[in-house]
Amino acid sequence: EPEVTQTPSHQVTQMGQEVILRCVPISNHLYFYWYRQILGQKVEFLVSFYNNEISEKSEIFDDQFSVERPDGSNFTLKIRSTKLEDSAMYFCASTMEEGEKLFFGSGTQLSVL
Amino acid sequence: TQLLEQSPQFLSIQEGENLTVYCNSSSVFSSLQWYRQEPGEGPVLLVTVVTGGEVKKLKRLTFQFGDARKDSSLHITAAQPGDTGLYLCAGGKTGRRALTFGSGTRLQVQP
Repeated sequence: EPEVTQTPSHQVTQMGQEVILRCVPISNHLYFYWYRQILGQKVEFLVSFYNNEISEKSEIFDDQFSVERPDGSNFTLKIRSTKLEDSAMYFCASTMEEGEKLFFGSGTQLSVL
Repeated sequence: TQLLEQSPQFLSIQEGENLTVYCNSSSVFSSLQWYRQEPGEGPVLLVTVVTGGEVKKLKRLTFQFGDARKDSSLHITAAQPGDTGLYLCAGGKTGRRALTFGSGTRLQVQP
């Protein structure tokens, strides 16, 4: 079965540094998402992306966050100036059509020190 | 705020036992999905239910969507160690891309 691929699997950074989390969605998918899961807490929606623009974002997704699909295959999440509370597992997901099966990647564990 | 509460939070049972996991909300959802998540992996979709009262079966797993589309249940018959994992429900609303996830039920099936 096709997979959503995320890199790196683990990222450690210093507070205030910029990080870029990378995702390669399934090739014929059109809708892309980022979710995050703080240790011991619920999976939380961050942002959805369709047709090269953000279609929906949560309150968590503030000015420090941005997403980009630079080359038609990668989908990135950038955190400009990381905070301790950004430490979480970040999941990328994609689907071909809205309402269809959502495929999640294995996640990037971000640790902000 | 739309909340999905799952119960129980933790469940440890013996192989062969039956169990039911509940997902409840005060909000109406247009769809309800159940996922299973293994350690170090992303959630994997098990089923989507969209109609109030709908029942779907996936081998030994039976999923039900409440008549009012505010709650759902997952029943596992004759649990096996391979069923061990974190079970998540997630609600969707028409016109919104975001899924609202429940807090999860961690199931351990002892051989």
